[in-house]
Amino acid sequence: QVQLVQSGAEVKKPGSSVKVSCKSSGGTFSDYAFSWVRQAPGQGLEWMGRIIPLLAITNYAQKFQGRVTITADKSTTTAYMELSSLRSEDTAVYYCASSDDYGDYYMDYWGQGTLVTVSS
Amino acid sequence: QSVLTQPPSVSGAPGQRVTISCTGSSSNIGAGYDVHWYQQLPGTAPKLLIYGNTNRPSGVPDRFSGSKSGTSASLAITGLQPEDEADYYCQSYDSSLSALFGTGTKVTVL
Repeated sequence: QVQLVQSGAEVKKPGSSVKVSCKSSGGTFSDYAFSWVRQAPGQGLEWMGRIIPLLAITNYAQKFQGRVTITADKSTTTAYMELSSLRSEDTAVYYCASSDDYGDYYMDYWGQGTLVTVSS
Repeated sequence: QSVLTQPPSVSGAPGQRVTISCTGSSSNIGAGYDVHWYQQLPGTAPKLLIYGNTNRPSGVPDRFSGSKSGTSASLAITGLQPEDEADYYCQSYDSSLSALFGTGTKVTVL
């Protein structure tokens, strides 16, 4: 059973960057793809991008291209999401999620979420 | 930008059957990409409910079922239970090389 544990809540200034971590345990890290999904207060889910660590492949939603970077460290079985040029609209809960099906993009394990608040 | 459209809300009495639609387009569901469904209870992370259009992960009750046809998909909940009150999201893949979530549906048990 895969467990994903994310880093704690963050408060950031507009224009700065945030890096959220997602520590994976209970499975073979290289067997999984890791996606990042965010949810603004009272809003729906929004897919940001994902990484397949085994293949070193990333792809990002067009909306976030150039502003988001997803990485993975196989030695610590941790995935990361860094979002730059933060604005108030980026205030959201950020989730990491994993799947062992590279081709189908569904997400069967989820982290607990990390609240990122962007405020001056 | 592609959108998967769901009704904002559906409701039903305990024991009833409710369905949630998910309408896409020829660049996502209609292109043959699978549809998946998630349940999100208040204040918690989403949980995978249906994957690959019709498949239930281990532990998901069989009162949840999924279907897909053309550019749309549906989630059915039969024998509605109080604990089914939650937000539900469909998800697919789009030819723009992105995963895509539906707009979300709040299920209320009357």
